Amino acid sequence: AQSVTQLGSHVSVSEGALVLLRCNYSSSVPPYLFWYVQYPNQGLQLLLKYTTGATLVKGINGFEAEFKKSETSFHLTKPSAHMSDAAEYFCAVSDRGTSYDKVIFGPGTSLSVIP
Amino acid sequence: KAGVTQTPRYLIKTRGQQVTLSCSPISGHRSVSWYQQTPGQGLQFLFEYFSETQRNKGNFPGRFSGRQFSNSRSEMNVSTLELGDSALYLCASSLHRDRGPYNEQFFGPGTRLTVL
Repeated sequence: AQSVTQLGSHVSVSEGALVLLRCNYSSSVPPYLFWYVQYPNQGLQLLLKYTTGATLVKGINGFEAEFKKSETSFHLTKPSAHMSDAAEYFCAVSDRGTSYDKVIFGPGTSLSVIP
Repeated sequence: KAGVTQTPRYLIKTRGQQVTLSCSPISGHRSVSWYQQTPGQGLQFLFEYFSETQRNKGNFPGRFSGRQFSNSRSEMNVSTLELGDSALYLCASSLHRDRGPYNEQFFGPGTRLTVL
């Protein structure tokens, strides 16, 4: 069965430092890949998604992610962290052509930004 | 355009009681999905409704049920509450039912249910 792992349940970075949140999936066939962000007391918001084509995907708020088939990874990065980036981040995958019940969410990574 | 709204935002119930949560999707959206979020299990899919019909269901017991009305508003019900039902319940709406990733889901802020 499809699975998603996110290395590090909690990541701390200094303001202005690089943000790197890791995501690996288990499918042998490239799935659709998503990153969501959840701010305190809010629902999930889509940051970016990979469907097909260019493997470097740009999202909102300066985030981007690169799909690497050989590594089955879809790591999320941002060159310079802001205090407002402190939130929970979820990687999600879905097999092509399937429904929302097959969208698998990772366990999440809590990002703290230190002033 | 207003986002997905969920009511109530917070609920405290005791074991054995039942609870009903409400979700109003974005205007024009016809698909509503429900998720349970807990620290231990993460985000888990409960069910999806489209045109007043349940289209998909996750791996939850029959105590969890839902429905969708003709205006696309949805409710979920949990009967005979257990301590383990304490969670954030998220509702998400999307425009269509097509399965492509271009049919983005928009999430509400959730209802925080505490079972004592």
